[in-house]
Amino acid sequence: GDSVTQMEGPVTLSEEAFLTINCTYTATGYPSLFWYVQYPGEGLQLLLKATKADDKGSNKGFEATYRKETTSFHLEKGSVQVSDSAVYFCALNPGRGYQKVTFGTGTKLQVIP
Amino acid sequence: ETGVTQTPRHLVMGMTNKKSLKCEQHLGHNAMYWYKQSAKKPLELMFVYSLEERVENNSVPSRFSPECPNSSHLFLHLHTLQPEDSALYLCASSQADRDADIQYFGAGTRLSVL
Repeated sequence: GDSVTQMEGPVTLSEEAFLTINCTYTATGYPSLFWYVQYPGEGLQLLLKATKADDKGSNKGFEATYRKETTSFHLEKGSVQVSDSAVYFCALNPGRGYQKVTFGTGTKLQVIP
Repeated sequence: ETGVTQTPRHLVMGMTNKKSLKCEQHLGHNAMYWYKQSAKKPLELMFVYSLEERVENNSVPSRFSPECPNSSHLFLHLHTLQPEDSALYLCASSQADRDADIQYFGAGTRLSVL
């Protein structure tokens, strides 16, 4: 079946540092890929998505590129802020009918001033 | 009010209690989901309703009973739970007939079973 593997956290960075959170996936066909973010006390919300190979999703300074050859969708940001502290989830959607999305375990990011 | 609303936000119950979690979406979506979020584990999809019909039940114990009376409301009825059922329960909705569509989540109900 489908699966998503993301790096273990927590990740602790100083403000303005470069962020990478690794994500790899296993799926049949051509899934769509997502990053969701969960701020403390809230539900998940979409951060960015990519629907086909070589697509780059971007939002709020975050980027991720759909790499089919390496089955990866790593999240990057050039300069993190304290407000980026949250849990980040990589996810895939096989795109068939209703959304049977597979999520990773989540990576907690803590940004210190 | 917009988005996905879950009530209550926090719930403490004994193992012999019966309680219900409620989810309401104001987005006009036709699919709704229940997830269980436990520490250091992937989100576990519990139930999916598409067009008010249950289409997914991922081997969830019968002490969890979902109900979807219409496309805007979803309930999770709980009875004789176990301490290991303590978790954050998230509701989500989406438009099932759009490829790669986004799921919209509520803030969740933090459940503690004593």
